[in-house]
Order: sequence, then C-alpha cells, then structure tokens
Amino acid sequence: DAGVIQSPRHEVTEMGQEVTLRCKPISGHNSLFWYRQTMMRGLELLIYFNNNVPIDDSGMPEDRFSAKMPNASFSTLKIQPSEPRDSAVYFCASSLSMGDYGYTFGSGTRLTVV
Amino acid sequence: AQTVTQSQPEMSVQEAETVTLSCTYDTSESDYYLFWYKQPPSRQMILVIRQEAYKQQNATENRFSVNFQKAAKSFSLKISDSQLGDAAMYFCAYMSKKGAQKLVFGQGTRLTINP
Repeated sequence: DAGVIQSPRHEVTEMGQEVTLRCKPISGHNSLFWYRQTMMRGLELLIYFNNNVPIDDSGMPEDRFSAKMPNASFSTLKIQPSEPRDSAVYFCASSLSMGDYGYTFGSGTRLTVV
Repeated sequence: AQTVTQSQPEMSVQEAETVTLSCTYDTSESDYYLFWYKQPPSRQMILVIRQEAYKQQNATENRFSVNFQKAAKSFSLKISDSQLGDAAMYFCAYMSKKGAQKLVFGQGTRLTINP
C-alpha cells in the first residue's frame, strides 16, 4: 500500500485566493482526519470523518474552512478566502474504525499564504 | 478535555547512549490509549509505540520502550543505543476509548543526536 497520499506537497498562494488540499486515505481505512500543525499551536484536529460522514468539525477555525469526503478514497480541505495566518502544515491521516492502533499520516502539505 | 504535556522542548544525547523523553497527561478516564510519534525533518509522522492503559506491562518496540505510570499519569519514552536516525521531533499523544477516536498531541520534544 502506498500509504496516505496528500497533494500538493507545497502550496504558495496569495491572500484571498482559494486553496484546495487533497488526500487519499489507505484503502480499507474508514476514518479520516485533517490536522493542522503550527509552531504556536502544535498539532490541532480540524475535522474527522467516519465512513465518509463528518463526525466532528469543532476544530475547523472558521467558515472559510470546509472539508468534504465524497467517497472512501478521497477527501479535500478547502480554504476560501485564504489568509496569511492560515500558513501551516496540513496533515491528513487515516485509520481503521476504532483508531486504537493509531493513525497513518500523510506527508503533509506545507501551505504558505503571502 | 484531555491534555498532554511534554515539558522538555529540546533534548540531546550522545550516539549510542540512552535518552528518556517525558510526557504527562490529564484525564478522568480509566481506559485509553497512549502513543509516541516521531516526526523527522522529512515531516512524516511515524508511529513509534503504543500503550493500552489497562495493560500494566510497558510496551516495547526494539530500542524503544515506555515507562507507563498510570496513577501518576506519566508516559515516558526511552530510546536505547541512540542512532543518528533517531534525530526528530517526538510527540506524545492520547486517545480516549469513548466517542470519536481523536488523537490529542503534546507540544513535542526535539531530540538531537550528537555523533
């Protein structure tokens, strides 16, 4: 298995532009998580899907952020409009149902908003 | 809400020596999971070791072992025979067995290996 695949690896965009981050979870994993990592706040859970359904989006910072999981093999995290304070590394992770063996993380997308 | 604290922002160790990274957590639950993740400069988050709270025996994975003190809510990671490839950020994480399987992370400890 290729693991969790995220794209792009790096993204530089101008303030006000729309940004879409993509994730392909491991086949057979039915839970998917989006995390954001910054120096100031560390690793924060943004949203969690189980069987393609959003279960907990309490970590999504504001309405500019949205996430979808149209099928078991694909998820997106969209920021519209982007702001410089959104600059961070965004990780996608997936796990089997109970997650008790931990998550498998993707390599992350480093987003820079200028 | 559960919290995880790593009180050592940075640690260093000589190659081939042993180092222990500290982690404490706060929870009112009696059954849960604890994890250590490694993040090397490549940015990839790699699972190092996992512990189930109801198991008294400390988990071990090759050169990595934990000292789990449930009453003290302490979960330290010991790395034996440190190697240059162990240089990374290490994150301690907590997962409740109730509700959503969210991982709550500590702030991390940056480990440097001196040759």
